[in-house]
Amino acid sequence: QVQLQESGPGLVKPSQTLSLTCTVSGGSISNGNYYWSWIRQHPGRGLEWIAYIYYSGSTYYNPSLKSRVTISIDTSKNQFSLKLSSVTAADTAVYYCAGDGRGDGYFDYWGQGTLVTVSS
Amino acid sequence: DIQMTQSPSSLSASVGDRVTITCRASQDISSWLAWYQQKPEKAPKSLIYGASSLQSGVPSRFSGSGSGTDFSLTISSLQPEDFATYYCQQYNSYPLTFGGGTKVEIK
Repeated sequence: QVQLQESGPGLVKPSQTLSLTCTVSGGSISNGNYYWSWIRQHPGRGLEWIAYIYYSGSTYYNPSLKSRVTISIDTSKNQFSLKLSSVTAADTAVYYCAGDGRGDGYFDYWGQGTLVTVSS
Repeated sequence: DIQMTQSPSSLSASVGDRVTITCRASQDISSWLAWYQQKPEKAPKSLIYGASSLQSGVPSRFSGSGSGTDFSLTISSLQPEDFATYYCQQYNSYPLTFGGGTKVEIK
């Protein structure tokens, strides 16, 4: 059973870069079936898909965030990461990593989520 | 982007009730629709994919239907553990988008 766990600072200052890592266990991140995504949820609100990465390094970003987002993968550590630059209070959210095991955009595995607050 | 609109945004129901939540896409997404359940302070849980296919381990009281632009999630007999917020998601095209959620509360 694949499990995902997010890690990273819970507090980021405005204008700085938010950095999160997702560690995958119970399976290889290099499994060619999986696409790995980041999704966020603003407090009390709905879900927003941010980006995905494939083990080969292929990526796709939500155009609404593309200019500020970088997603990367480290297959040797079974991890993938998110960087979001120039953050503002509007980036305060719970950030989830998720796995799409069918390669079609349906998420069958989710991390527990991590709250990131942007505040000085 | 494809907009996903859920209704109602919230509902109150009793244990044993039949509950239906609807989701409308702003354009044809065929059957590329998923449903997720989210409980407070928890990650979403996968329920249904392909508009009507049940994720392994999900109780059979959950069912999904629809295609094109109009979809529904039905809980045939609401159980105490089903009180949660439900989200639809389209995966017909990127960027992937979610509905605003439907909160199912205890009457």
